[in-house]
Amino acid sequence: QQQVKQSPQSLIVQKGGISIINCAYENTAFDYFPWYQQFPGKGPALLIAIRPDVSEKKEGRFTISFNKSAKQFSLHIMDSQPGDSATYFCAASKGAQKLVFGQGTRLTINP
Amino acid sequence: KAGVTQTPRYLIKTRGQQVTLSCSPISGHRSVSWYQQTPGQGLQFLFEYFSETQRNKGNFPGRFSGRQFSNSRSEMNVSTLELGDSALYLCASSLGGVGDEKLFFGSGTQLSVL
Repeated sequence: QQQVKQSPQSLIVQKGGISIINCAYENTAFDYFPWYQQFPGKGPALLIAIRPDVSEKKEGRFTISFNKSAKQFSLHIMDSQPGDSATYFCAASKGAQKLVFGQGTRLTINP
Repeated sequence: KAGVTQTPRYLIKTRGQQVTLSCSPISGHRSVSWYQQTPGQGLQFLFEYFSETQRNKGNFPGRFSGRQFSNSRSEMNVSTLELGDSALYLCASSLGGVGDEKLFFGSGTQLSVL
């Protein structure tokens, strides 16, 4: 019940396109859903996060869509750029200090 | 403001040895969490310390332990190393209060066990 399932494992998108990564969770007690971006040789960096009382949150080119009834949430990257090429992780927690991470998506943006 | 600092950056040990990793959080942050990252298991939570007390613990054997000092700096220790302990160990800090969810990660310590 602690799992967070992330798909796809890898994704190739053309420059200017929309990148979409999906996650599903099981534990209905989770109340915090962040997305992290990780470049090689670096630790994950927080991109954007959402709480279950909101269905969508947008920050710049990054949008989280949240479906509480389906227990799913997704990250949309609009106008994807080569600099967005990285590994993306969704996560979930109750109280944020004990994150359960998805397996990650390796995103490649072709110029 | 300086970020989360982890030392050393790389470490090579042999089976059976023990290792200590160090983490200096962002100034003012009172919570330090540790995660293990491997290609097979992904990112897994080890434990979290807040004000020198372990507040949360993941599902790792007792060989993995940690502590936090009064200046919020934290150390993680792994005893009797096994080949499977080879991983990137990440430290993250946060303010640690209710609603203070933002975790800031360091670049990690890459541990190789031979």
